[in-house]
Amino acid sequence: DTEVTQTPKHLVMGMTNKKSLKCEQHMGHRAMYWYKQKAKKPPELMFVYSYEKLSINESVPSRFSPECPNSSLLNLHLHALQPEDSALYLCASSRSREGISPLHFGNGTRLTVT
Amino acid sequence: SQQGEEDPQALSIQEGENATMNCSYKTSINNLQWYRQNSGRGLVHLILIRSNEREKHSGRLRVTLDTSKKSSSLLITASRAADTASYFCATDGDYNQGGKLIFGQGTELSVKP
Repeated sequence: DTEVTQTPKHLVMGMTNKKSLKCEQHMGHRAMYWYKQKAKKPPELMFVYSYEKLSINESVPSRFSPECPNSSLLNLHLHALQPEDSALYLCASSRSREGISPLHFGNGTRLTVT
Repeated sequence: SQQGEEDPQALSIQEGENATMNCSYKTSINNLQWYRQNSGRGLVHLILIRSNEREKHSGRLRVTLDTSKKSSSLLITASRAADTASYFCATDGDYNQGGKLIFGQGTELSVKP
């Protein structure tokens, strides 16, 4: 079992819906990340939060809106998504900003946009 | 630009055999990491090797790093069916890029019982 918990595990939403993905960790990690992964592809970085502040936004469309309410929680708000946004969305955390310490991943949310 | 490239893209072996996966990268690094991903699950960190290290072991895993060739290899000895997964290398690249962790394309390993 992973120490990073993501909910929901599966999500189906229409293009006009608003939904949120949630991620929680209690390891005291101060960096948290959102990755997007398409089938048979590597994870692609979307956002990085360091000490609850957004430090990296990889030019992600504004229909994806991240939020870090506190050091243990990370949300990804979704609005007006497109079918091509269907993917596995992975949350990860690390003791400090990525590249310096290993990432701990959740099992992801499988998102389908219809 | 893509930092990590891996080969082979897919590898199929029998249980008990060794599996070797290779990773090449383009820019200087501080460290290189290897991750495993079972189908439909999150990635699991396997091992981290720093740029000043040449070899590292963890159980049945052996990782080598050649910074002059900008390449790394992951060796899994005495493979088991449970090792069936995708394996990704990841590099931190140039720190001026914000220390981003960039994943290679991955190697899909299938271990047949």
